[in-house]
Amino acid sequence: EDQVTQSPEALRLQEGESSSLNCSYTVSGLRGLFWYRQDPGKGPEFLFTLYSAGEEKEKERLKATLTKKESFLHITAPKPEDSATYLCAVQASGAGSYQLTFGKGTKLSVIP
Amino acid sequence: DTAVSQTPKYLVTQMGNDKSIKCEQNLGHDTMYWYKQDSKKFLKIMFSYNNKELIINETVPNRFSPKSPDKAHLNLHINSLELGDSAVYFCASSQRHHGDTQYFGPGTRLTVL
Repeated sequence: EDQVTQSPEALRLQEGESSSLNCSYTVSGLRGLFWYRQDPGKGPEFLFTLYSAGEEKEKERLKATLTKKESFLHITAPKPEDSATYLCAVQASGAGSYQLTFGKGTKLSVIP
Repeated sequence: DTAVSQTPKYLVTQMGNDKSIKCEQNLGHDTMYWYKQDSKKFLKIMFSYNNKELIINETVPNRFSPKSPDKAHLNLHINSLELGDSAVYFCASSQRHHGDTQYFGPGTRLTVL
């Protein structure tokens, strides 16, 4: 069974204080690893897809990296508007594996 | 233009009632999904349709029945609502089902009294 574990559950940062969020996964074969951002009362908003170990993607203050067992979402010099819950999900390879298996998320709070 | 839309945004109803949630996507995607997010914010797949054909049917009560009248729409009908059905339901769509990014709607918060 595919499993995704995110840590920490909650993270409180001062504005400008860089940090990383972790996503550990267990999957029979990885087709893709996805990062989403979710604001309160809204649907998940797509950030990145990573397909193979060693791959990195960046968007503004966010950078996602992938190894064979985990992914990191690095946040550089965060701003209060980066406050949200960040969700990690995996899609397994193999016939019939279309759904995303999500972790429980990391709730990030950036304090001015 | 809203890519994936859901109606209603809020739904409050009594136990035992039957209700429907509608989803539409204007992205031209082939595959649509229903996810449930419980009170602990955990997102879990319920159903997936590809070109109007059911692909995934996770272990959900048969009181839940998806229906896809066309590629752009995937509705969720729930019979005999129970207290435990209270959650936020998200619709999503993707271009294909393998490895493609899924785009989510704004969610429907269902409260069963």
